[in-house]
Amino acid sequence: GQQLNQSPQSMFIQEGEDVSMNCTSSSIFNTWLWYKQDPGEGPVLLIALYKAGELTSNGRLTAQFGITRKDSFLNISASIPSDVGIYFCAGQLGKTSYDKVIFGPGTSLSVIP
Amino acid sequence: GAGVSQSPRYKVAKRGQDVALRCDPISGHVSLFWYQQALGQGPEFLTYFQNEAQLDKSGLPSDRFFAERPEGSVSTLKIQRTQQEDSAVYLCASSLAVTEAFFGQGTRLTVV
Repeated sequence: GQQLNQSPQSMFIQEGEDVSMNCTSSSIFNTWLWYKQDPGEGPVLLIALYKAGELTSNGRLTAQFGITRKDSFLNISASIPSDVGIYFCAGQLGKTSYDKVIFGPGTSLSVIP
Repeated sequence: GAGVSQSPRYKVAKRGQDVALRCDPISGHVSLFWYQQALGQGPEFLTYFQNEAQLDKSGLPSDRFFAERPEGSVSTLKIQRTQQEDSAVYLCASSLAVTEAFFGQGTRLTVV
């Protein structure tokens, strides 16, 4: 089945630094999603990407849908303590929420004040 | 309610016991999903409902897992004869037709 890999597995950064994390897939996806999960909470959608090559921003977050449709990256600029959490990339074969979401294993982000 | 509500938040079950986990989706949301999240892993798809119809149950790990949504609103995930490997957080998500899916806080199941 489809598998997603995320790198790095974890990262420790100083407050104010920029962050970059990647996601690759063995299969093509038509929708890429980035979620953040805080401890004891469910994942919250940060950015959704629907077109190969698409670059989308949401505040300090920027994500891109790779042109091969097998990868995506997420950048966070000027990190702050509340950015701490686990970031999951996820893919969907289709473009609607009817399609099941395949999650990656996550990147754990720690921000040192 | 304002968001997806799951209950209980925490459940400890003895091995072999049956458990039932409840999900109250956002009112009016047609789609409902169940995911299983093991410690340190991403959520894994279990099953999907569109209204009361269970359209995809390909992720259910065994026939001990059963989900229902009889009136197209509240859903229950039942696990029979629980095993230690069933210990995980069970997440429910709901969505309208083509919008994002919103997740609940999950139920943390510990089988001892």
